[in-house]
Amino acid sequence: EAEVAQSPRYKITEKSQAVAFWCDPISGHATLYWYRQILGQGPELLVQFQDESVVDDSQLPKDRFSAERLKGVDSTLKIQPAELGDSAMYLCASSLEDGRDTEAFFGQGTRLTVV
Amino acid sequence: AQSVTQPDIHITVSEGASLELRCNYSYGATPYLFWYVQSPGQGLQLLLKYFSGDTLVQGIKGFEAEFKRSQSSFNLRKPSVHWSDAAEYFCAVGAGLTGGGNKLTFGTGTQLKVEL
Repeated sequence: EAEVAQSPRYKITEKSQAVAFWCDPISGHATLYWYRQILGQGPELLVQFQDESVVDDSQLPKDRFSAERLKGVDSTLKIQPAELGDSAMYLCASSLEDGRDTEAFFGQGTRLTVV
Repeated sequence: AQSVTQPDIHITVSEGASLELRCNYSYGATPYLFWYVQSPGQGLQLLLKYFSGDTLVQGIKGFEAEFKRSQSSFNLRKPSVHWSDAAEYFCAVGAGLTGGGNKLTFGTGTQLKVEL
């Protein structure tokens, strides 16, 4: 069964260091989302891609976060420098297209701990 | 802006008992509504979704949800809970016909504990 792949599953980094997460969506899925889930809360959208273009990054803290999807397939989310408050689960999701009859499939996430 | 409220942070039920998890939403247009389940350390799995039509929606694992526009609610139900249903449940609303159907706003979640 096709699934959204994320790596690493767990990451521990020191404050002020750079960290990157990778996501490989389900083949053929044009829309890709990055969500951040702080412990005890629901996921919050950080950025949405349609193919290689950013559709919505209004909630992305652009002073330290960046995201790219250069060839419209896999995607990387980077944090530089990491802060203690960035400790969270980072979830990637993909869907065939951004429309009403399509379902978003989520990966297992990357659990980030900043120390 | 759209929002979702899940008023129950924790719920404990006995195995075999019925379950209802509450969800209230705020959205100006026709909402797309979803229920997801998350096991510890895992991603989210879609249980069911409502886009239009029949207001009673059937999902996987024996779950169902009813959309009530007058109450702005989309409560999740299951007639008989199994121990394996213990997890965290998230209600979410997606932007409507203006686009972004899968750009979701989530509630804070309800943690379900099942007593044997």
